[in-house]
Amino acid sequence: ETGVTQTPRHLVMGMTNKKSLKCEQHLGHNAMYWYKQSAKKPLELMFVYSLEERVENNSVPSRFSPECPNSSHLFLHLHTLQPEDSALYLCASSQDWGRGSTDTQYFGPGTRLTVL
Amino acid sequence: ILNVEQSPQSLHVQEGDSTNFTCSFPSSNFYALHWYRWETAKSPEALFVMTLNGDEKKKGRISATLNTKEGYSYLYIKGSQPEDSATYLCDFSYMNRDDKIIFGKGTRLHILP
Repeated sequence: ETGVTQTPRHLVMGMTNKKSLKCEQHLGHNAMYWYKQSAKKPLELMFVYSLEERVENNSVPSRFSPECPNSSHLFLHLHTLQPEDSALYLCASSQDWGRGSTDTQYFGPGTRLTVL
Repeated sequence: ILNVEQSPQSLHVQEGDSTNFTCSFPSSNFYALHWYRWETAKSPEALFVMTLNGDEKKKGRISATLNTKEGYSYLYIKGSQPEDSATYLCDFSYMNRDDKIIFGKGTRLHILP
């Protein structure tokens, strides 16, 4: 138990659906992250929020839309996804973010997304 | 393009044997490196954070070393046990205005009974 939860754990959606992934951390951390892991690829950082402000967006298509309403919750809104977006989506948090931070990340268990 | 390479990709080790694997990273502008253990169907879990050249960290039967000048870190497991079966990830961050974190693909370790 890492203190980071994600729901749902599995999601199957059509290309025209709209769905959301949810992440919650109970660690009092200030930074939260979304990662994508596709088969046989390394974890790819998608978005970073620090103190509820987006500080990193790694050229992610606009069909992925993050939202951080407070420092404990992070959402990833999904709209008109493609089959190649099927992957494991991991959420993580750390105490802080930014230059000079060596903070360890605490990961959730991930959402396995399949886009039909 | 900055890459983190982990080798080998996959490893089978007899229970009781010791093993090690490598994380290679660009040696310039190094800031920090983390090792994580990721068991199937669970969350990646942090093992070590390493920042200084020559760092050596230990946690039970698992230890890690860091060489920032040549750009590698080793993870060692002594006397492998079935519960060590997992994917071991490393990530690398560097001092750059983008402050990116880059992960390797991991080493998948299978302990054979």
